[in-house]
Amino acid sequence: EPEVTQTPSHQVTQMGQEVILRCVPISNHLYFYWYRQILGQKVEFLVSFYNNEISEKSEIFDDQFSVERPDGSNFTLKIRSTKLEDSAMYFCASKDGFNQPQHFGDGTRLSIL
Amino acid sequence: EDQVTQSPEALRLQEGESSSLNCSYTVSGLRGLFWYRQDPGKGPEFLFTLYSAGEEKEKERLKATLTKKESFLHITAPKPEDSATYLCAVHPMDSNYQLIWGAGTKLIIKP
Repeated sequence: EPEVTQTPSHQVTQMGQEVILRCVPISNHLYFYWYRQILGQKVEFLVSFYNNEISEKSEIFDDQFSVERPDGSNFTLKIRSTKLEDSAMYFCASKDGFNQPQHFGDGTRLSIL
Repeated sequence: EDQVTQSPEALRLQEGESSSLNCSYTVSGLRGLFWYRQDPGKGPEFLFTLYSAGEEKEKERLKATLTKKESFLHITAPKPEDSATYLCAVHPMDSNYQLIWGAGTKLIIKP
């Protein structure tokens, strides 16, 4: 069964550094998402991406964050000038139709020191 | 304001003891409601989509139902491997892309 894959599984970064989280969505999917989940808390929406542009973003997704789909297969989340409170699991998801379910990767655990 | 509330926060059952998890929602209108299962350290795994009141979906020991205000995830004769956090998410009419997520119900099935 096709899967969403995310790399790395764990990223440790010094505060203030930039980090790029990578995702390969399911190949025929058209809608892409990033979420974060702080340990023990709710899944939080960050951003959705469709037709090569951001379609919706949350208040969390400020100028510190950016997303790219640099080629036909990868979808990246860049976090600039990381802060301690950015430590969380980051999940990528994709779906093939507007009202279809999203399928998630297993996440990148980001630890900011 | 759109809101999704799941109850209980945690549920401990004996193997074989059936029960139900609740997801109540307050949204302007519903495009769809989704149930996911999340194991520790993993991403949410899709279980069901429900689109309209009265709809039901089944998969093995799980059955999801939907009314105009809430959804239930019924688990029949659960096994220890059903232990996980079950998440509910709603796609409201006033959002094109964003889902509203509940906090989840942590289900523990004791052998």
